[in-house]
Amino acid sequence: QSALTQPASVSGSPGQSITISCTGTSSDVGGYNYVSWYQQHPGKAPKLMIYDVSNRPSGVSNRFSGSKSGNTASLTISGLQAEDEADYYCSSYTSSSYVVFGGGTKLTVL
Amino acid sequence: EVQLVESGGGLVQPGRSLRLSCAASGFTFDDYAMHWVRQAPGKGLEWVSGISWNSGSIGYADSVKGRFTISRDNAKNSLYLQMNSLRAEDTALYYCAKDISNWNTGPPGAFDIWGQGTMVTVSS
Repeated sequence: QSALTQPASVSGSPGQSITISCTGTSSDVGGYNYVSWYQQHPGKAPKLMIYDVSNRPSGVSNRFSGSKSGNTASLTISGLQAEDEADYYCSSYTSSSYVVFGGGTKLTVL
Repeated sequence: EVQLVESGGGLVQPGRSLRLSCAASGFTFDDYAMHWVRQAPGKGLEWVSGISWNSGSIGYADSVKGRFTISRDNAKNSLYLQMNSLRAEDTALYYCAKDISNWNTGPPGAFDIWGQGTMVTVSS
C-alpha cells in the first residue's frame, strides 16, 4: 500500500489561510469518508485534528476544517497562528490494508 | 486522566525479538479498537497494526505481516506487540494509539489518544 501524497511543505503568514492536500486513490480516500488529519509538533505525539473527512474532535479549534473531492482530501487552517507551525499528516481507511498515512507536510508560519 | 503508556523498547540485534506493551487508563479500554503506529527517526508516520475491541478483527501493514503479532488483554487494560525477526528498517518510535471506533460498528483509522512512544533500535 503506497502512502497518500501530501506536499512536503506549505507556508503562510499569521492571519492567512492555508490548505494542505492529501491525494490517494478510489481504494482509500476516494472510496470512503474515513479521512483523518493529525498535527505533530517536534518531539511530541500526534494529535487528532479532523476525522471522518470533516469532523472536529472536542477541543480542536474551528479554525481547522476538512473536506474531500474525489480522491483528494484537504485540510484548511484559517487565521493562521504561530502555534500552528507543525507537521501535518493525513490518513485514510483503505480496503487493502486498513490504514494508510500520508508522507506528511511541514507547515511554516512566516 | 486518559493515558496510554508504552514500554518494552530498546536496542536489539537484527533477527531477534522484542515485545512492546501499552498500559491504558482513564477510559473503558474494551470499548475501542487499538493500534500501533511507528515513526522512524526524521520520517513520517506508518501504521503497523490494529486490533478490534474483542480481538475479532486484526490487521497488519505489509511491511510487518508474518513477523509481528498484535494482541490485547482487556482484563489488564493492555495492548501488546510481539516483534520477531527484527530488521534495521524496523528502527522507530512505536506509538500505541486508541481508535475512536471499536472496529465492529465502523472501520478503524481515527486515533484520538496517543502514548508518548517507546523507541526500538535494531542494530548489531
